[in-house]
Amino acid sequence: QKEVEQNSGPLSVPEGAIASLNCTYSDRGSQSFFWYRQYSGKSPELIMSIYSNGDKEDGRFTAQLNKASQYVSLLIRDSQPSDSATYLCAVRRGSQGNLIFGKGTKLSVKP
Amino acid sequence: EAQVTQNPRYLITVTGKKLTVTCSQNMNHEYMSWYRQDPGLGLRQIYYSMNVEVTDKGDVPEGYKVSRKEKRNFPLILESPSPNQTSLYFCASSSGGVGGYTFGSGTRLTVV
Repeated sequence: QKEVEQNSGPLSVPEGAIASLNCTYSDRGSQSFFWYRQYSGKSPELIMSIYSNGDKEDGRFTAQLNKASQYVSLLIRDSQPSDSATYLCAVRRGSQGNLIFGKGTKLSVKP
Repeated sequence: EAQVTQNPRYLITVTGKKLTVTCSQNMNHEYMSWYRQDPGLGLRQIYYSMNVEVTDKGDVPEGYKVSRKEKRNFPLILESPSPNQTSLYFCASSSGGVGGYTFGSGTRLTVV
């Protein structure tokens, strides 16, 4: 089992809809969780971080964490064509600085 | 401006010719890391460093070397590049704790 797994997509949603991106991880010792957005040919950009069970909202983005199920998700409300990108889930074990990344989910928002 | 700077952005080289990709950060971060990204394979970690003179292998370290003599710099060295090292490379840094990685702009390397 890979450490961090994501559905590769592509996930296609119409403009204005909610996009739901999912990620599972294998190490129960993981404590910090991150979502990055990456446009084609560009570097990953951190958009959300979450450390406690539950929801964390920032503008149109909501991160959800369930440590018991080893599951983290990202919801994008009112999706825009500019949200079309690959979304990477990353996990940190304990207090170490190292991050393990999933392969990413490609999101396409259709006008 | 807080940033991670990689150079060069693009590099075409020949098989066997040693090269170095530089990485520097101005955020006083303890953690630094190198990743390569290939289509369908995602971000794969090459090496990472927890502090000066402390480095460890990632998932794909073969064919690469790193050094961390100063906190701000973390160069990636390819002693004898081969075509299978053609890839997009990213350097990243983090303060550790609860912070995520900040990425450099990337280096697109082609080995012919």
